[in-house]
Amino acid sequence: NAGVMQNPRHLVRRRGQEARLRCSPMKGHSHVYWYRQLPEEGLKFMVYLQKENIIDESGMPKERFSAEFPKEGPSILRIQQVVRGDSAAYFCASSPALLASTDTQYFGPGTRLTVL
Amino acid sequence: QKEVEQDPGPLSVPEGAIVSLNCTYSNSAFQYFMWYRQYSRKGPELLMYTYSSGNKEDGRFTAQVDKSSKYISLFIRDSQPSDSATYLCATAKAGGTSYGKLTFGQGTILTVHP
Repeated sequence: NAGVMQNPRHLVRRRGQEARLRCSPMKGHSHVYWYRQLPEEGLKFMVYLQKENIIDESGMPKERFSAEFPKEGPSILRIQQVVRGDSAAYFCASSPALLASTDTQYFGPGTRLTVL
Repeated sequence: QKEVEQDPGPLSVPEGAIVSLNCTYSNSAFQYFMWYRQYSRKGPELLMYTYSSGNKEDGRFTAQVDKSSKYISLFIRDSQPSDSATYLCATAKAGGTSYGKLTFGQGTILTVHP
């Protein structure tokens, strides 16, 4: 059973370009979460999605950031007009369902975004 | 004040030592508690998960939760050099979609030297 997959693992963009980060959840998981880890800081929640629905985006910056989890295909975190402050490791996690008493989130290897 | 506080360390111990890692949290709505291990430039790996006060043991690892004092701990017995990593505590609230949002501590950097 493959784990959470993220690609690319490393992404370099120049200021003003767009960054697209992809996440394929574990088999059988229908919930996806995105977190950001800035240098010297802990993981910060960004957004929680189910198929075709955004459940909680309270951690997403109001501008330039968007996320989707279509019916088919991976979840996408999109950052428009990147700035140097967007440089960070972006982690995706997945869980099978909202059964809090029996399971939790499993993380992918992350995408390291560098903005030049 | 951060919702979850964790001493970032770094913590350095000799091989075989018992390691104690701790977090405190401020919001009594947190009902679920996790410990993740993160090796350098890798994703967090789930170590322990609990939703009640008390102890939970898994091999060399013991997670302890004290909801009355809002204090969570991870103990590592017979520590090994391969345990060298950053350890992250995480919490979640109960109810509805709240569980989808994990709140992490800053992480403690642990080095176990031979």
